[in-house]
Amino acid sequence: QKEVEQNSGPLSVPEGAIASLNCTYSDRGSQSFFWYRQYSGKSPELIMSIYSNGDKEDGRFTAQLNKASQYVSLLIRDSQPSDSATYLCAVTAPSNDYKLSFGAGTTVTVRA
Amino acid sequence: DAGVTQSPTHLIKTRGQHVTLRCSPISGHKSVSWYQQVLGQGPQFIFQYYEKEERGRGNFPDRFSARQFPNYSSELNVNALLLGDSALYLCASSRQANTEAFFGQGTRLTVV
Repeated sequence: QKEVEQNSGPLSVPEGAIASLNCTYSDRGSQSFFWYRQYSGKSPELIMSIYSNGDKEDGRFTAQLNKASQYVSLLIRDSQPSDSATYLCAVTAPSNDYKLSFGAGTTVTVRA
Repeated sequence: DAGVTQSPTHLIKTRGQHVTLRCSPISGHKSVSWYQQVLGQGPQFIFQYYEKEERGRGNFPDRFSARQFPNYSSELNVNALLLGDSALYLCASSRQANTEAFFGQGTRLTVV
């Protein structure tokens, strides 16, 4: 079982719509959860971090965490063409010395 | 403030050669981690250093080594390069070992 799994893409959404990205993780002791955005040929950029159950909103982004279900999601509201990128879910756990464990990423394309 | 800086940005090496990649963390950050990312996958953890001590090592062969200097900058060394070592090498810095990590622009290594 992979440590972090993301829903397979690519995900294509029309401009102005909501993009919904999902991520599950295997280590129940995981404590910190991150979403990174990676444009083609560039390095990952941290866009959201979440540590406790519930929702966390930052601008057009909302991260949702459910530790009981070992599930974290990212919603992108009012999607823009500039949101077209690969989104990486990353998780840290004490059992892994807090290394970032990444999913394979979900590629999002926003159609104008 | 300057972000994480990596050098060089691109590198072409021949099989069997040695390579040294360099990373300067964000000012005030004491933890540096190295990741390898191949096309279509999420970054894979190689090493983490905190306060100049190795805090974690991923599943990479002994050909990979790293160190952190008193100014918290870091080097990743790879000996006896193989074609499969071709990848984007990412450095991430964080204030402590288990806090938000920010990536540099990466070093694109091509082994021919």
